[in-house]
Amino acid sequence: DIVMTQSPSSLAVSAGETVTINCKSSQSLLCSGNQKNCLAWYQQKPGQSPKLLIYLASTRESGVPDRFIGSGSGTDFTLTISSVQAEDLADYYCQQHYSYPLTFGSGTNLEIK
Amino acid sequence: EVQLVESGGGLVQPGSSLKVSCVASGFTFSSYVMHWFRQAPENGIEWLAYINTDSSSTHYAETVKGRFTISRDNAKNTVDMQLSSLRSEDTAMYFCARERTWERHFDYWGQGVMVTVSS
Repeated sequence: DIVMTQSPSSLAVSAGETVTINCKSSQSLLCSGNQKNCLAWYQQKPGQSPKLLIYLASTRESGVPDRFIGSGSGTDFTLTISSVQAEDLADYYCQQHYSYPLTFGSGTNLEIK
Repeated sequence: EVQLVESGGGLVQPGSSLKVSCVASGFTFSSYVMHWFRQAPENGIEWLAYINTDSSSTHYAETVKGRFTISRDNAKNTVDMQLSSLRSEDTAMYFCARERTWERHFDYWGQGVMVTVSS
């Protein structure tokens, strides 16, 4: 199984700051055929189900604000949230969509000071 | 509008069985692979199983293989998960989700249904 290691587990920032969340996979997530990386990011607000933010490591889902930026390749990936807003309070998870069993990082809890 | 609505959760005793269901609307259900996930309280997300469009293929996480069974009814737009031989560690919120076509990431999720296994 591919192990996804996410860090930090929690962080607290003030509105307007930039946040970086890291995700490392135990093997390369380079998808065959399209030279992209099979890594997705989800946002889960309190009491809600996960919402897809980013897929193929850097492709933003339709309707997701452009302050959410996915980057990285191979085994190291980053979700950057620029100019964090109060509504961004949530847990964030990475997920490898390279192979079964699909696996997730342990999550990052973002708190707004 | 795409909607996924789960039902069937509840409190059950260890060793018992339960079926959770998910009814879909707002899209051509028969064209999409469907999955089940769970999330234990204060824990992360665990993928459980998928079923392909015509039910000819299913796949399970090792933690539930042999105990859980996924099925679908394209005429009724439903995907079910039969949970058997339940253990306390199966206590979680269970979610169904739609896979973006053949890409193994998930663009729509249900709101979840809680299953509590306790004596």
